[in-house]
Amino acid sequence: EPEVTQTPSHQVTQMGQEVILRCVPISNHLYFYWYRQILGQKVEFLVSFYNNEISEKSEIFDDQFSVERPDGSNFTLKIRSTKLEDSAMYFCASSPLAGEVELFFGEGSRLTVL
Amino acid sequence: GENVEQHPSTLSVQEGDSAVIKCTYSDSASNYFPWYKQELGKRPQLIIDIRSNVGEKKDQRIAVTLNKTAKHFSLHITETQPEDSAVYFCAASRGSYIPTFGRGTSLIVHP
Repeated sequence: EPEVTQTPSHQVTQMGQEVILRCVPISNHLYFYWYRQILGQKVEFLVSFYNNEISEKSEIFDDQFSVERPDGSNFTLKIRSTKLEDSAMYFCASSPLAGEVELFFGEGSRLTVL
Repeated sequence: GENVEQHPSTLSVQEGDSAVIKCTYSDSASNYFPWYKQELGKRPQLIIDIRSNVGEKKDQRIAVTLNKTAKHFSLHITETQPEDSAVYFCAASRGSYIPTFGRGTSLIVHP
């Protein structure tokens, strides 16, 4: 069964450093998402991506965040200058359609900012 | 926007007991309510969902109920087994809107 894959599974970085989290969505899916979960808190929506552009983003997704689909398979989340509060589990997801459909999640990338 | 509250945050039961996790939502226009299960170290996966045109849906030992008037929905797991131990997330969405997730409930089933 096809799966969403994410790398790295865990990354430790110093405050102020740039981080890139990578995702390979399921190949025939058209909608891609990034969510994050700070320890003990809600799973929060960051951004959705469709047709090579951002379709929706939350208040969390400020100028320090960016997403890119550099080729036909990868979907990346870049955090330009990490802050302590960026420490969280970041989940990538994809879906074949938008809206009332199942999201297929990756296993997550745990980011620790020191 | 939509706000989803989920309770309890932790639920501990004995094997064979039932477990109930409750969620409330704020947007009366929400009409799709999925539940995801995340086992330790694994990805969240959809286990059941319900749409607003029905009040209850069952799949073996799992059932979900929806009360649109009260804006709450619940996950019921009967005859719990140790492999049911996981974090369960509820979510709510409408149309093409992005789902809003609850905080998650850590279910622990003791053998």
